[in-house]
Amino acid sequence: DQQVKQNSPSLSVQEGRISILNCDYTNSMFDYFLWYKKYPAEGPTFLISISSIKDKNEDGRFTVFLNKSAKHLSLHIVPSQPGDSAVYFCAARHGGSQGNLIFGKGTKLSVKP
Amino acid sequence: EAGVAQSPRYKIIEKRQSVAFWCNPISGHATLYWYQQILGQGPKLLIQFQNNGVVDDSQLPKDRFSAERLKGVDSTLKIQPAKLEDSAVYLCASSLDRGGWGTGELFFGEGSRLTVL
Repeated sequence: DQQVKQNSPSLSVQEGRISILNCDYTNSMFDYFLWYKKYPAEGPTFLISISSIKDKNEDGRFTVFLNKSAKHLSLHIVPSQPGDSAVYFCAARHGGSQGNLIFGKGTKLSVKP
Repeated sequence: EAGVAQSPRYKIIEKRQSVAFWCNPISGHATLYWYQQILGQGPKLLIQFQNNGVVDDSQLPKDRFSAERLKGVDSTLKIQPAKLEDSAVYLCASSLDRGGWGTGELFFGEGSRLTVL
């Protein structure tokens, strides 16, 4: 039972364009959603998060949108840069949990010069 | 500030052998997590500690996996005996939040890659 789903295993975009990574979830009790970025042979690093009471959070080139009615969130990267090429994981925290995050399978983003 | 430290980075063993991984979290972080990441999957929680107490070990295969955090700082994850399906990256993470508070951000180490032959 996958509670956090990233249905696109990979995404390729041109440098300077927008990258949109999508994530769907099934559990309405999630209270925080996070995006992590992972380079090969490194651990995941935190990128941006959003509380379930908000619908948008922006940090520089990165914006996360949350649509609670659709149980969907997306990460927008504008403009995309070659250094953004990595695997992006969507993660969610259950409001009643002790902080454990549930991760999607990840989307591999390739930004071509 | 030093990040989460893990060792060894890589380990190759044969099935039925044992292996141990070590993790030292960020100083002052009370909560420590061990995640298992199988190739092509997202990280999956194995065990969560709050100081030296276990908060959640519901997904830990207790017949072969064990973990401890005796002094509330560093932690060891052991697998004995290993199976082929244990081949994965074992990620240690820590958080400043007192489990479930704040923004939920976890800080990860670089991981320990295990290959079971």
